[in-house]
Amino acid sequence: AQSVTQPDIHITVSEGASLELRCNYSYGATPYLFWYVQSPGQGLQLLLKYFSGDTLVQGIKGFEAEFKRSQSSFNLRKPSVHWSDAAEYFCAVGVTGNQFYFGTGTSLTVIP
Amino acid sequence: NAGVTQTPKFRVLKTGQSMTLLCAQDMNHEYMYWYRQDPGMGLRLIHYSVGEGTTAKGEVPDGYNVSRLKKQNFLLGLESAAPSQTSVYFCASSPRPGLAGVNEQFFGPGTRLTVL
Repeated sequence: AQSVTQPDIHITVSEGASLELRCNYSYGATPYLFWYVQSPGQGLQLLLKYFSGDTLVQGIKGFEAEFKRSQSSFNLRKPSVHWSDAAEYFCAVGVTGNQFYFGTGTSLTVIP
Repeated sequence: NAGVTQTPKFRVLKTGQSMTLLCAQDMNHEYMYWYRQDPGMGLRLIHYSVGEGTTAKGEVPDGYNVSRLKKQNFLLGLESAAPSQTSVYFCASSPRPGLAGVNEQFFGPGTRLTVL
């Protein structure tokens, strides 16, 4: 069965520091992977997606993610976080029929 | 374009009351979804629709009904609300998937529902 695991419930980083949020998936076929961000009181906004091709994908707001098939991972990175990046981040796998399975989310706090 | 909108934004119900949540999208998307978001559980799919007049059950459909009478609208109904249905409800829409069978979902701002 398909599933997504985000091992870190909460992460705190200093403004200007680098960030990596972990995501592991379980899916038997070719995975289609997404990262969404949810600011407080808002809906989910797509940061980036991986369908095929280059395993390093660039997204909005300076985020990138790397797909590693051997590790079943799709980790999200940003070289220098800004205070406005404080939010909840969700990893998701999309399967045929456009069903999405979401991880439980990682809450990011940015300290000045 | 407004994208995906949800009505209402907040609602408080008493146990046993009924209500309908409205989702509307102006992107001419074929697929629409209702999720609930609970702390520590991420988003879970309640019901979805792959076109006007069609609906299907998701992961947690019990206690909810849906209708898709018009392509742009997707309604979520609670016939007899229970405290376990206290949650934040998100609607999403998506274009028809391409060859990959998967396409991006666009989300509304959410409805915060409390059942007392």
